[in-house]
Amino acid sequence: DIQMTQSPSSLSASVGDRVTMTCRASQSISNYLNWYQQKPGKAPKLLIHAASILQGGVPSRFSGSGSGTDFTLTISSLQAEDFASYYCQQSDSAPFTFGPGTKVDIK
Amino acid sequence: QITLKESGPTLVKPTQTLSVTCTFSGFSLSTSGVGVGWIRQPPGKALEWLGIIYWDDDKHYSPSLKNRLRLTKDTSKSQVVLTLTNADPVDTATYYCAHKHWNFNWFDPWGPGTLVTVSS
Repeated sequence: DIQMTQSPSSLSASVGDRVTMTCRASQSISNYLNWYQQKPGKAPKLLIHAASILQGGVPSRFSGSGSGTDFTLTISSLQAEDFASYYCQQSDSAPFTFGPGTKVDIK
Repeated sequence: QITLKESGPTLVKPTQTLSVTCTFSGFSLSTSGVGVGWIRQPPGKALEWLGIIYWDDDKHYSPSLKNRLRLTKDTSKSQVVLTLTNADPVDTATYYCAHKHWNFNWFDPWGPGTLVTVSS
């Protein structure tokens, strides 16, 4: 099974900051990598699929990159509504494992 | 518009069977490529992928739960049922179902989730 790791596990940032978080797969998954955003008490929401394709309605300040084993999610200018947890998920092969998440909170 | 909603008992005793139903609309589980996935999240912890059932009744389960987990579908009712036998307090979590894109393995949208507590 493919294992996913994320770093950092949490970060503190201010509105307007550029934020970057990473996700790593235990083996190559090409670009079969998805990012989800989860706010407290809510279901996760798909942000990015295929490593870099924004889901419809997702603000352009979000971007994803990477292929193979290493991936990055960047928020170019953090907004108040972006404070949440972010999870990566590999969709290369079942089981479609999630990473442990990165929590973004207010500095 | 695709929507999903989970339902079932909120409290289950240890060793009993935990069962959650996902009722969906806006798509058919008889459409080629479509699937419904299940994910859970213990309070304050990360997401855990549990399994998926496809339009053709193929299934994949998490290896850690493979012996206790079953997914079944009723296409006519637009429902998928998750059954987890021999429930344990560590199974306490919010259980989510989610729609799998017909051609790619991403999940969108998700249901709101249902919290199931395993306790005597």
